[in-house]
Amino acid sequence: AQRVTQPEKLLSVFKGAPVELKCNYSYSGSPELFWYVQYSRQRLQLLLRHISRESIKGFTADLNKGETSFHLKKPFAQEEDSAMYYCALRKGAQKLVFGQGTRLTINP
Amino acid sequence: EAGVAQSPRYKIIEKRQSVAFWCNPISGHATLYWYQQILGQGPKLLIQFQNNGVVDDSQLPKDRFSAERLKGVDSTLKIQPAKLEDSAVYLCASSSLRTGGNGRAYNEQFFGPGTRLTVL
Repeated sequence: AQRVTQPEKLLSVFKGAPVELKCNYSYSGSPELFWYVQYSRQRLQLLLRHISRESIKGFTADLNKGETSFHLKKPFAQEEDSAMYYCALRKGAQKLVFGQGTRLTINP
Repeated sequence: EAGVAQSPRYKIIEKRQSVAFWCNPISGHATLYWYQQILGQGPKLLIQFQNNGVVDDSQLPKDRFSAERLKGVDSTLKIQPAKLEDSAVYLCASSSLRTGGNGRAYNEQFFGPGTRLTVL
């Protein structure tokens, strides 16, 4: 069965420190993976897709098929990065399967 | 562009009552999704529409949940009768095909603000 696991429910780092939010998946096909973010009092929104290989707001994520991981990284955390982060896998044409989410808190 | 609209934003009912949620997707978006997000979990897809047809309702508890999108635009999700375990945020999303920087098409989902349902 397709599954997305985010092992950390809570993650707290200091401003300026590196951040890594972990995501592991299980999927029999070719995975398409995403990171979604929800800032306080805002809607869930797409942060980045593995296919695009972009850096969004300083965040990057590399798909590692050998380790079945798609960890989200940022070298220097900023206070505005505090939010809920969800890793998601696309199954089939459009269906998304989400992980349980990680609440990231950046301390000043 | 105007975002996905949902109403009501909050609803409190007693178990065994019925409730309905409404969603208005982004104009022109053919695909509409309803998700259930229980506290502490990620969103779980309940049903997906393509225009007014159902694409996937495999995780919809059909004995109590129903959804429709009669004219291929707005959608309603109904629960009848509600149970305590239905307490959750119900998210509506819509999507369209976009082209990324690499020239490849992809489907981006835009989410509404959600309806927080509390069943007492």
